[in-house]
Amino acid sequence: AQRVTQPEKLLSVFKGAPVELKCNYSYSGSPELFWYVQYSRQRLQLLLRHISRESIKGFTADLNKGETSFHLKKPFAQEEDSAMYYCALSGQEGGSQGNLIFGKGTKLSVKP
Amino acid sequence: GAVVSQHPSWVICKSGTSVKIECRSLDFQATTMFWYRQFPKQSLMLMATSNEGSKATYEQGVEKDKFLINHASLTLSTLTVTSAHPEDSSFYICSAVSGGAYNEQFFGPGTRLTVL
Repeated sequence: AQRVTQPEKLLSVFKGAPVELKCNYSYSGSPELFWYVQYSRQRLQLLLRHISRESIKGFTADLNKGETSFHLKKPFAQEEDSAMYYCALSGQEGGSQGNLIFGKGTKLSVKP
Repeated sequence: GAVVSQHPSWVICKSGTSVKIECRSLDFQATTMFWYRQFPKQSLMLMATSNEGSKATYEQGVEKDKFLINHASLTLSTLTVTSAHPEDSSFYICSAVSGGAYNEQFFGPGTRLTVL
């Protein structure tokens, strides 16, 4: 069964500290993984996708098929990074976002 | 960037009434829209996939007669919660696929439904 697991409901770090939001997935085929972010009182928006191998706002995520993980990392957290982060999986090929399966989300709180 | 709107942003209704929620892609055409439901402090759960000009595809466990979806144009999909009950109270979010290189999903701001 397709499943996305984000083990941490809340992650609290101090400004300037490294941050890693964990995401593990279960999928029998070749998945497409995404990270979405929802800032306070704003809509959900795409942060990055594994297929494009990009760094957005200092965040990166590497797909590890052996560990079935797609952890989101940033070396130096900023207060404006405080938000809800969702890991999502799509079973469609080519980076397209068909049906998305979301993890339960991790709330990142960056303290001054 | 692509913008998706939802109307209304919140609605309170009496039990037994029907409520219609609109999802519009403002600056692009969306052949596919998705409807999600989000309970407090929980993740988004896909309810159905709405394709323009055809019947919606519902996820397992979602009552299609309860949650009517109409995607009559390339910029508008509607979700009607029929005979709403308190357990239908939730945050309903739609998204629209832009059809670009990655078919990125753009999300609406959500609609808070409270059924008394």
